[in-house]
Amino acid sequence: DIQMTQSPSTLSASVGDRVTITCRASQSTSSWLAWYQQKPGKAPKLLIYKASSLESGVPSRFSGSGSGTEFTLTISSLQPDDFATYYCQQYKNYSRLTFGGGTKVEIK
Amino acid sequence: QVHLVESGGGVVQPGGSLRLSCAASAFTFSSYGMHWVRQAPGKGLEWVAFIRYDGSNKYYADFVKGRFTISRDDSKNTLYLQMNSLRAEDTAVYYCAKEKGVSFFDYWGQGTLVTVSS
Repeated sequence: DIQMTQSPSTLSASVGDRVTITCRASQSTSSWLAWYQQKPGKAPKLLIYKASSLESGVPSRFSGSGSGTEFTLTISSLQPDDFATYYCQQYKNYSRLTFGGGTKVEIK
Repeated sequence: QVHLVESGGGVVQPGGSLRLSCAASAFTFSSYGMHWVRQAPGKGLEWVAFIRYDGSNKYYADFVKGRFTISRDDSKNTLYLQMNSLRAEDTAVYYCAKEKGVSFFDYWGQGTLVTVSS
């Protein structure tokens, strides 16, 4: 299985900050990577797919980059609604999908 | 608006069985692959199983292989997960998710909680 490792596991930030979350894969996933946002008690929400494609309706302050084994999710200016947990997911191996462990973005 | 509604969760003893359902609406269910993803209390997301849009291929995570079976009934727009030989470590919220493209998810249900406990 392709292992996905996110860092940091927790991030403290203030409204207006630029935030970057990293996701590393144990082997190349090309650009087959998605990012999700999850709030407590809610289902995840798709933000980014194919490493850098913004899902319809997602604010443009979210962006994704990277390929191969290293990927980043960037929030250009953190808003109050963005405090949540973020997960990456590889789909290169579509018979063995795997998620990163999550990054919780907290209020500083 | 796409809607996915899971049901069938509950409390079951170790070794017991449950069948989860996911009722889909507002999209052409028979045209999309569907997945189950779970989340243990306070933990991260874990993919469980996939069924191709036509039911011709099914994939499972190693930790459920041989115990869980994914299926679909396109006439009822419903996805199922039959869970047998349940273990304490299967305790989780189980989400159904619609595939967008190949194996990432654009719509999720609200989840149904499965608790395996004696």
